[in-house]
Amino acid sequence: AQSVAQPEDQVNVAEGNPLTVKCTYSVSGNPYLFWYVQYPNRGLQFLLKYITGDNLVKGSYGFEAEFNKSQTSFHLKKPSALVSDSALYFCAVRNAYGNNRLAFGKGNQVVVIP
Amino acid sequence: KAGVTQTPRYLIKTRGQQVTLSCSPISGHRSVSWYQQTPGQGLQFLFEYFSETQRNKGNFPGRFSGRQFSNSRSEMNVSTLELGDSALYLCASSLEAGDREEQYFGPGTRLTVT
Repeated sequence: AQSVAQPEDQVNVAEGNPLTVKCTYSVSGNPYLFWYVQYPNRGLQFLLKYITGDNLVKGSYGFEAEFNKSQTSFHLKKPSALVSDSALYFCAVRNAYGNNRLAFGKGNQVVVIP
Repeated sequence: KAGVTQTPRYLIKTRGQQVTLSCSPISGHRSVSWYQQTPGQGLQFLFEYFSETQRNKGNFPGRFSGRQFSNSRSEMNVSTLELGDSALYLCASSLEAGDREEQYFGPGTRLTVT
């Protein structure tokens, strides 16, 4: 079975400060890892993914994430947070075995304070 | 390119009734997955369809069913609605099943059961 843990319910950060949203995962075999963002009353919007290769992945809107196999983590980061980054962030994992079944974390509410 | 579309966007039903939700994937995408999002349980996988075949099913009762048509459009049906079925139902599409591509999500259908 695959699972994701996002330990914090809410992340508060001042505008201009670095933003980090934590994610650890459990999966059989090689993981495919994803970050999505959700704005109120909207679907999920893809930010970035790790499939293979470089452990540091760059995505949309200045976000990046670092894959750490030994710690089974895939933390999302942004060097300088914007008020518009305030949203719900989901980490998701699936294995590489030929299906699209994603396991999501519970989500982290990010609040960027002006 | 048009995104994933879901209809209707909002729906109010009464306990015991049944409901059908529709999803049109991005043009060229052949895999469609469905997820249920609730405040208590988060995002949970319902099922995945590829080439009109159900490839994967989540842990939901048999009241939840789906299908996919030859044009890749998909529908999901919930029979004998219960109050706990109130949720945001999200559809996601991707090119193939189990490839390295991310899934693209629609805006969701908000179902309220009274």
